[in-house]
Order: sequence, then structure tokens, then C-alpha cells
Amino acid sequence: GDSVTQMEGPVTLSEEAFLTINCTYTATGYPSLFWYVQYPGEGLQLLLKATKADDKGSNKGFEATYRKETTSFHLEKGSVQVSDSAVYFCALSAGGFKTIFGAGTRLFVKA
Amino acid sequence: GAVVSQHPSWVICKSGTSVKIECRSLDFQATTMFWYRQFPKQSLMLMATSNEGSKATYEQGVEKDKFLINHASLTLSTLTVTSAHPEDSSFYICSASKDRTYEQYFGPGTRLTVT
Repeated sequence: GDSVTQMEGPVTLSEEAFLTINCTYTATGYPSLFWYVQYPGEGLQLLLKATKADDKGSNKGFEATYRKETTSFHLEKGSVQVSDSAVYFCALSAGGFKTIFGAGTRLFVKA
Repeated sequence: GAVVSQHPSWVICKSGTSVKIECRSLDFQATTMFWYRQFPKQSLMLMATSNEGSKATYEQGVEKDKFLINHASLTLSTLTVTSAHPEDSSFYICSASKDRTYEQYFGPGTRLTVT
């Protein structure tokens, strides 16, 4: 079945460091791919999305490119801030509206 | 646009009682609504999918008699935890889809504590 695998956390970075959170997926067909962010005590917020191969989603300095050949959707940010500390979930949807989430990666950014 | 609210944001109830959680799409009509459960420091577990006016589809292992889902309108879905027990304590999150882009809009979550 469809699945999402993302790197285990927690990831601890200093402010202004470069961030990469790896995400790979397994799916039949052509899924849409998402990154969601969850701040402490809150629900999930959509961070960015890509609906077809080679699409790049971007928002708030974060980027991810839909790579069909490597079945990946890695999240990157050039310079993280303390306010980026949160849990990041990679997810896919491939029909039937059902969304499959990765396990989540917790990010801590130190000042 | 695409705002989803949940009420209450947190609730404490005694073991054996029932509690209802509401999920509303405030500025769009939701063709499909989803209910998730999230344990501390874990990912979301899909409990059920509901379409307006029809019975919810429950995921394997989720007790439909314990977690009653009603999707009475295109803007409201409710989750009722019946005869709650301490092990039902969790963070419950709903989401809603409005079209076939597969994007889900999430509510802020409801923290349930059963004492």
C-alpha cells in the first residue's frame, strides 16, 4: 500500500543553519505531495504542496520538489529561525481523499 | 479562506461519560471530513472518513460504536466518544476537503482527558 517515510528526529539546528528533512514515498499512480507543520499544542497547517512531477512547492522560505524518479519530496530551508521549531509531516494523497502521513520530524532551532 | 474550527479545544470528562466534539468548516462546504487521533509525539492516525448525509467509513481497528461520527451538513461533523475511558485520552483532530485537489484543511484539535 501507499506509504511515506521521513527521517527520524529530533533535528536540532542553530539559527540560520540550513535545513533538510528527507521524505520518500511509495504510491501507485500519481499522488499529490504535501508538507504540513504542527506547532506545539496546535493542529496541522499546510506548509506547501506539489501535485505533479517536477513541481516545486514553496512557502515561508521552505521549498520541496516533487521528484518522481527518486520518489522523494525533501523539505529544505536555507536559514532556519527559532520560530520554525515544530513538527513537520510529509504526506501524500492518491485518490479517495485519503491522506497518508509520515511519522513526523521534530525540529528544534536554538538561538 | 478554508478555515476549520473545532469545539471544544479541550475537555475533561469522567470515565463512563460521553463527550461530543464538533468540527466546522467556516467558509466553505466540505464534501468530506476526516477524524484523526494523535498520541503524544506520534503521527496522525486516521479514524474515519465521512461524507455529508452518509455513514462514516471507519479504519480497521476503530470501534464504530465507541466513536460515533455524524456528518449532518456540508459544514458540520461531530465525533462522540461514548463511555469514555482513560485510554481514550488523546488529541483529536478533524480535517475537511472541499474539492478534488486532495488538500485537507485541519482544525486546531481537541485535547480530551478522561479521568
